[in-house]
Amino acid sequence: EVQLVESGGGLVQPGGSLKLSCAASGFTFSGSAMHWVRQASGKGLEWVGRIRSKANSYATAYAASVKGRFTISRDDSKNTAYLQMNSLKTEDTAVYYCTRRGIVGATVWFDPWGQGTLVTVSS
Amino acid sequence: QPVLTQPPSASASLGASVTLTCTLSSGYSNYKVDWYQQRPGKGPRFVMRVGTGGIVGSKGDGIPDRFSVLGSGLNRYLTIKNIQEEDESDYHCGADHGSGSNFFWVFGGGTKLTVL
Repeated sequence: EVQLVESGGGLVQPGGSLKLSCAASGFTFSGSAMHWVRQASGKGLEWVGRIRSKANSYATAYAASVKGRFTISRDDSKNTAYLQMNSLKTEDTAVYYCTRRGIVGATVWFDPWGQGTLVTVSS
Repeated sequence: QPVLTQPPSASASLGASVTLTCTLSSGYSNYKVDWYQQRPGKGPRFVMRVGTGGIVGSKGDGIPDRFSVLGSGLNRYLTIKNIQEEDESDYHCGADHGSGSNFFWVFGGGTKLTVL
């Protein structure tokens, strides 16, 4: 079964740090670009960033709202992607999802999605 | 950079049809857009990708034939026919832009579909 499982969410004070993990199974993780997307309560989806595969030099890209504070990494030996979040702000409070950007022929899509992990930034 | 605009809400009666719209900002008429369905309390689910020529690639797993897409100018449409109760969801559109470190992905604000 193709699956992603996020973990590491929780309550953190403003200015603090947190590291999220995304464990993958059922597909070739090492060849996949992995993205993080977040969703504040009652709001729409917001793209956070992505990391490409080794073949694409593990290139990263970030949303302007998190650039310089968040870092995405991956460990292909553990089939796991990470999101290191520093200097957290109250506006970073959201459910964080990881997802794969899959490509099969002409079909390009985000799938699967994890169940999400809640990050709450509050004093 | 592109901006995607979606109406915040839509409604349709059981068995009727509805068309959801995602509008790209000026200058981005050649962009392809993904549609995602998000049921209450769940993660998003890929529906299909659309460009000005219609669907790009295949539908997502388990997406019924009642769902179809069309692209025209700056608009990308998702039409649902014979609406069922399980179609009541938030629908998000999104598109990518740029490359390398300047790559980013942008989502619209989402449309909440209510089945009456």
